[in-house]
Amino acid sequence: KAGVTQTPRYLIKTRGQQVTLSCSPISGHRSVSWYQQTPGQGLQFLFEYFSETQRNKGNFPGRFSGRQFSNSRSEMNVSTLELGDSALYLCASHSHNEQFFGPGTRLTVL
Amino acid sequence: QKEVEQNSGPLSVPEGAIASLNCTYSDRGSQSFFWYRQYSGKSPELIMFIYSNGDKEDGRFTAQLNKASQYVSLLIRDSQPSDSATYLCAVNSNGDYKLSFGAGTTVTVRA
Repeated sequence: KAGVTQTPRYLIKTRGQQVTLSCSPISGHRSVSWYQQTPGQGLQFLFEYFSETQRNKGNFPGRFSGRQFSNSRSEMNVSTLELGDSALYLCASHSHNEQFFGPGTRLTVL
Repeated sequence: QKEVEQNSGPLSVPEGAIASLNCTYSDRGSQSFFWYRQYSGKSPELIMFIYSNGDKEDGRFTAQLNKASQYVSLLIRDSQPSDSATYLCAVNSNGDYKLSFGAGTTVTVRA
């Protein structure tokens, strides 16, 4: 069974731009979560989607948003990028309370 | 107080020794506990999860949970150089999929 896939793997943007990251969960998994990982703050929960509905949201500003499609694929969007948004963005696919992470998207904001 | 705290590293152990990693959590209602391993430049991979008080063994790994003390640990027996990584403790409090992670403990196994 294929694992979680994320695209793109690397991204460089400038301040003020917006970015969209994509995640395809493991086949059959209907729930997806997003996390941000930085050296200073570690791994922080962004949001979780199940059957196209956001079920949970972390403490991030409204510039961070997401959605899930009927095929369980998910996207997250960050608008008006700031330098501090530079991070590894991880998507996790869920089954029976176990979470499996994708390879991540490394976002650099210049 | 952080939700999940791990013993500060880095932790250096000789090959073949036992590496002991500790984690405490603040939410007494926490239900599920996970240990992830993350190699440098890679994403976290699930090693073990534990829900009930006591020990759970999987190969060279043993997770120990004490809910009364709000403490979870991971023992790595017969440590190998390939175990050199950052180990992340994660806690789930509400039965949903939101995980709170500790800062991680970096382990180096010396050959």
